[in-house]
Amino acid sequence: EVQLVQSGPEVKKPGESLKISCRGSGYSFTTYWIGWVRQMPGKGLEWMGLIYPGDSHTMYSPSFQGQVTISADKSINTAYLQWSSLKASDTAMYFCAKLSSGSYSSTAYFDHWGQGTLVTVSS
Amino acid sequence: SYELTQPPSVSVSPGQTASITCSGDILGHKYAFWYQQKPGQSPVVVIYLDSKRPSGIPERFSGSNSGNTATLTISGTQAMDEADYYCQAWDRSTDVVFGGGTKLTVL
Repeated sequence: EVQLVQSGPEVKKPGESLKISCRGSGYSFTTYWIGWVRQMPGKGLEWMGLIYPGDSHTMYSPSFQGQVTISADKSINTAYLQWSSLKASDTAMYFCAKLSSGSYSSTAYFDHWGQGTLVTVSS
Repeated sequence: SYELTQPPSVSVSPGQTASITCSGDILGHKYAFWYQQKPGQSPVVVIYLDSKRPSGIPERFSGSNSGNTATLTISGTQAMDEADYYCQAWDRSTDVVFGGGTKLTVL
């Protein structure tokens, strides 16, 4: 069974750094892209970026390029999303999701999702 | 940047047909995907490649895509279908794009 298990909720202050995680199991972690999706309170889904854990090749949404860093450690089947300096506007639920295909392709979709990590940034 | 536009809300009576649209420039030349998200839950894909249903998704869910509009249709809508629905496509300029989402109310 494919599973994506994300790290627990976080409460941080503005300016602090943060790294959240997403551990995959039940499939070949290194051969499928993993994406990160933001959902601000009461709002819709926003794609942030994708990483191919096999070689850590990363693609970012223009809206998030330079704002976050996506990485992966294939030795422990885990992808990460990190911030160097959080802002109150980073308060949101963050989902990781696996692409259905190992190819970065317009035919691929997010076929499995993590349970989400709630990040709250408040002074 | 590429944008997908959905109506913020759609209402339907139980047993009736609900149609949720997703509009984007020449969207019909791309593949459309649809996700269902219930309150407090993670999204789940209900339609992929315009009209295919993943295993476990009821037959009452169907999809089409032509011109500038993709449509998710739910036939014989049930109370359990009440959720937010998001369309998604790929675009060369922005890669993955989600629509703004549509809240489906079954009343």
